[in-house]
Amino acid sequence: GAVVSQHPSWVICKSGTSVKIECRSLDFQATTMFWYRQFPKQSLMLMATSNEGSKATYEQGVEKDKFLINHASLTLSTLTVTSAHPEDSSFYICSARRGQGRVYFGPGTRLTVT
Amino acid sequence: RKEVEQDPGPFNVPEGATVAFNCTYSNSASQSFFWYRQDCRKEPKLLMSVYSSGNEDGRFTAQLNRASQYISLLIRDSKLSDSATYLCGQHGSSNTGKLIFGQGTTLQVKP
Repeated sequence: GAVVSQHPSWVICKSGTSVKIECRSLDFQATTMFWYRQFPKQSLMLMATSNEGSKATYEQGVEKDKFLINHASLTLSTLTVTSAHPEDSSFYICSARRGQGRVYFGPGTRLTVT
Repeated sequence: RKEVEQDPGPFNVPEGATVAFNCTYSNSASQSFFWYRQDCRKEPKLLMSVYSSGNEDGRFTAQLNRASQYISLLIRDSKLSDSATYLCGQHGSSNTGKLIFGQGTTLQVKP
């Protein structure tokens, strides 16, 4: 099946720093990728839709200036958590859509902000 | 009201039991529904799509009831390896690929 990777798989950073997470579709091109966040014992909450070559579409309540999304190529989307704080500690998961069909999830990135 | 709602459980069942989960949704325009399985600290993996006509895959049966706006998942002959969190998901009405998930139902199968 299609493969989506994320890097890093886990990261610990200090409060106030920025963290970049990469999402790559390894064997297909994805014009659309999605970023989710999951807090412990909660569901995946969609943060934004990442569109190749255009601005991301953010869900209500998600600060676009804090969560910067760049989808510069058909196989790569990045999420940058700017000025991270402990409450941003979470499991960040991306998914990539293969054409107009199925979406495939990356393995997730666990962010801990100290 | 959340778009997709599930009973979080946990459901604790013995091996061999039959267990059923329901999930209600509020967006009647949604066209596609899915069940995902998520193991602890892992990404969700697609278990099966859900159709009005019902969908069966081995011990798993999924059903969509559009009139009552719920989907169900039935697991027969539970195995220890079925222990996981089961998430129901729906695509938005415009088929963007955006998935909205319920909070998940935790299943623990015990020997």
